[in-house]
Amino acid sequence: NAGVTQTPKFRVLKTGQSMTLLCAQDMNHEYMYWYRQDPGMGLRLIHYSVGEGTTAKGEVPDGYNVSRLKKQNFLLGLESAAPSQTSVYFCASSYAQGKLFFGSGTQLSVL
Amino acid sequence: AQSVTQLDSQVPVFEEAPVELRCNYSSSVSVYLFWYVQYPNQGLQLLLKYLSGSTLVKGINGFEAEFNKSQTSFHLRKPSVHISDTAEYFCAVSASGGSYIPTFGRGTSLIVHP
Repeated sequence: NAGVTQTPKFRVLKTGQSMTLLCAQDMNHEYMYWYRQDPGMGLRLIHYSVGEGTTAKGEVPDGYNVSRLKKQNFLLGLESAAPSQTSVYFCASSYAQGKLFFGSGTQLSVL
Repeated sequence: AQSVTQLDSQVPVFEEAPVELRCNYSSSVSVYLFWYVQYPNQGLQLLLKYLSGSTLVKGINGFEAEFNKSQTSFHLRKPSVHISDTAEYFCAVSASGGSYIPTFGRGTSLIVHP
């Protein structure tokens, strides 16, 4: 079982470059999430989706955009990367009040 | 809105000793509570959850947690830890009626020494 798959696993960007992180889940979950993890800050919610075609802002949405055109995919975009966006990014999916299933993470460095 | 406070950023303990990781939450509505574990260079995985019913919840790997509504706490315990329990532990809370979107604490690093 694949579960939640994130691509890429590592990426280095220069300031101002753009990129898209892809998250795919094969569990037919309605809810999908993007979190960032920084030392001492825990996981902070960037954006989330409660169903295909819907997205909503989380705690730290500035500088990021998302799309959920298909139920199984949730894309996170950085239009103009900044050093402050250096972080580890986690995608997760779940049923409404169920446990979250996490991907293995994307380590992003912005120089 | 809800919030979570994990009172200890780091907990060092010797192997086979008991451990308690503390979690307090704040919410104006009823909540669901979760503990997740993150091993080095991995994503998070669920240890245990409280949705309703018995306030003592048992999870994987010998961990358990007790929901205390009056003290708004959900502390995680294990009677005897192993080296392999060294990891980051996250407490999370979500509103039981509403969007169900979980809020995570800042994490507690459990370091088990031989």
